[in-house]
Amino acid sequence: EVQLVESGGGLVQPGGSLRLSCAASGFTFSIYAMSWVRQAPGKGLEWVSTIGGGGASSYYADSVKGRFTISRDNSKNTLYLQMNSLTAEDTAVYYCAKDPYGLGSPHFDYWGQGTLVTVSS
Amino acid sequence: ETVMTQSPATLSVSPGERATLSCRASQSVRSNLAWYQQKPGQAPRLLIYGASTRATGIPARFSGSGSGTEFTLTISSLQSEDFAVYYCQQYHNWPLMYTFGQGTKLEIK
Repeated sequence: EVQLVESGGGLVQPGGSLRLSCAASGFTFSIYAMSWVRQAPGKGLEWVSTIGGGGASSYYADSVKGRFTISRDNSKNTLYLQMNSLTAEDTAVYYCAKDPYGLGSPHFDYWGQGTLVTVSS
Repeated sequence: ETVMTQSPATLSVSPGERATLSCRASQSVRSNLAWYQQKPGQAPRLLIYGASTRATGIPARFSGSGSGTEFTLTISSLQSEDFAVYYCQQYHNWPLMYTFGQGTKLEIK
């Protein structure tokens, strides 16, 4: 059974940093691209970033480019999102999501339960 | 950037009736269209991908259609567990980008 468990969310001040983690199990982690998708309170879904299975290729939404870094440790079956220079607009539940194929999958087949990031002073 | 527009924003339907949700893309996305269901406090769940293929374990009452810029999600006979928010999502392969619609809330009439 595929399981994705996010952690690392919390309250952070504007301008601060936070690193999210997503522990994966139930599938061969290194084969699949992985993504982060966020949802601001009461709002819709917004794609944040995607990384290929080997970790060499990554892509970002314009809203986070230059501030967020996606990475993965295939030996630990874990996906990360390093978030820097956070603003109130980054307040959201952050979901990790599995791509069904390699990089460039057209959809996300499994999602974690999410971790809440609140940016506030 | 491709903009996805869902309509209506809210749809009120009685249990047992048919629900039809629409999603329009600002430019052609071919068949690269997925639908997700999200219940309060839960993660989204993949329902349909490739515009019309049901994901694993999704009941047959859910069906998707369309290609290019116009897409439809139909729920043939609404069950109580189907009342939720539904999102469409498109994929652009270069540069890699995913865009969601703003969602349609399906509520009990």
